Amino acid sequence: DGGITQSPKYLFRKEGQNVTLSCEQNLNHDAMYWYRQDPGQGLRLIYYSQIVNDFQKGDIAEGYSVSREKKESFPLTVTSAQKNPTAFYLCASSILYSPSTYEQYFGPGTRLTVT
Amino acid sequence: AQTVTQSQPEMSVQEAETVTLSCTYDTSENNYYLFWYKQPPSRQMILVIRQEAYKQQNATENRFSVNFQKAAKSFSLKISDSQLGDTAMYFCAFMKRRRAYSGGGADGLTFGKGTHLIIQP
Repeated sequence: DGGITQSPKYLFRKEGQNVTLSCEQNLNHDAMYWYRQDPGQGLRLIYYSQIVNDFQKGDIAEGYSVSREKKESFPLTVTSAQKNPTAFYLCASSILYSPSTYEQYFGPGTRLTVT
Repeated sequence: AQTVTQSQPEMSVQEAETVTLSCTYDTSENNYYLFWYKQPPSRQMILVIRQEAYKQQNATENRFSVNFQKAAKSFSLKISDSQLGDTAMYFCAFMKRRRAYSGGGADGLTFGKGTHLIIQP
């Protein structure tokens, strides 16, 4: 059953700790994306990657880091430098170089709470 | 940079009515895609409909259709015969289209802040 998985669904951390959010896809998609969603806001792009070992900053990359060592995986680390880390985080993926280049498929999200 | 504006934070209609959600955007790009995504209480993002900017014909998917006005930079979503299951947040989104000679590919989506649509029984 193909799709995108994000784990865990809920994550709690103490302020000052780094935390890594998992995102895995078995759709054989080339590109992967991380978005952040806050109440009353739309989604905002944090980082994206179109190929293994390469990634680009999105609109709100400060305080976050990513890696893309495998095509299937794109973990996001929320560092202690991120001033307001509590949010809902969504991972997405898409095919590149095809007529359906533009459609992004989303995972179920991870709700991160930092206290 | 692109911006997407949804001017209706919340809308409420009766079941079976038709409702239109508004979206405007600002861009200097000529080649791009526009989308409407639905986010029900489960928070799973679901693609509702998409429109390629170079196509003049408005996209339609069953009860969902768009009114795409490129010159006005407007992209509204019409839901006909609304159902209780249509209750959700609806997000308008923009994506710039890259040309193949620049490596193709796709950037991320730029989203509006959303419209909370409530379908009343």
